[in-house]
Amino acid sequence: EPEVTQTPSHQVTQMGQEVILRCVPISNHLYFYWYRQILGQKVEFLVSFYNNEISEKSEIFDDQFSVERPDGSNFTLKIRSTKLEDSAMYFCASSELLAGTYEQYFGPGTRLTVT
Amino acid sequence: AQTVTQSQPEMSVQEAETVTLSCTYDTSESNYYLFWYKQPPSRQMILVIRQEAYKQQNATENRFSVNFQKAAKSFSLKISDSQLGDTAMYFCAFRNTGTASKLTFGTGTRLQVTL
Repeated sequence: EPEVTQTPSHQVTQMGQEVILRCVPISNHLYFYWYRQILGQKVEFLVSFYNNEISEKSEIFDDQFSVERPDGSNFTLKIRSTKLEDSAMYFCASSELLAGTYEQYFGPGTRLTVT
Repeated sequence: AQTVTQSQPEMSVQEAETVTLSCTYDTSESNYYLFWYKQPPSRQMILVIRQEAYKQQNATENRFSVNFQKAAKSFSLKISDSQLGDTAMYFCAFRNTGTASKLTFGTGTRLQVTL
């Protein structure tokens, strides 16, 4: 069964450093999402992406964040200058174009620790 | 904006028993989708069950079923014959019908299945 993959599984970085989180969505999916979950809290939407453009972004997704689909398979989330409060689990999700529920399939997550 | 409320932070159930997790939501939309996601200790987000708001029939998936009360904006999850592997965080989520619509999650209910 196809699945969303994410790398790395755990990233430790120092405050102020740039990080790039990588995701490979399911191959025939065209809608991509990033969510984050601070430890012990709920999952929060960051951004959705379709046709090489951001479809929607939350207030969390400020100028420090950017997303890119650099090739036909990867979908990346970049945080330019990490802060301590960026420490969280980051989930990538994808959904397909076909009419229906546009169910979102989640990757296993990347745990980001900012020290 | 849509909101999702899960009023039970923690619940416990004995193996083989039945447990119901509560969820309420607020929206002005008439058509939308509702989901329950399971998050085991691995923190992977796993879709358990979904419900389309235009369908009056409650969704079922094996031991999992929902009680969808549209007028009351209530969407509870019933787990029958609970198993130790059901121990996890359970998140209720809402999504509009737009193709790239985000998921809005509740704060989660931590379910512990005991012997």
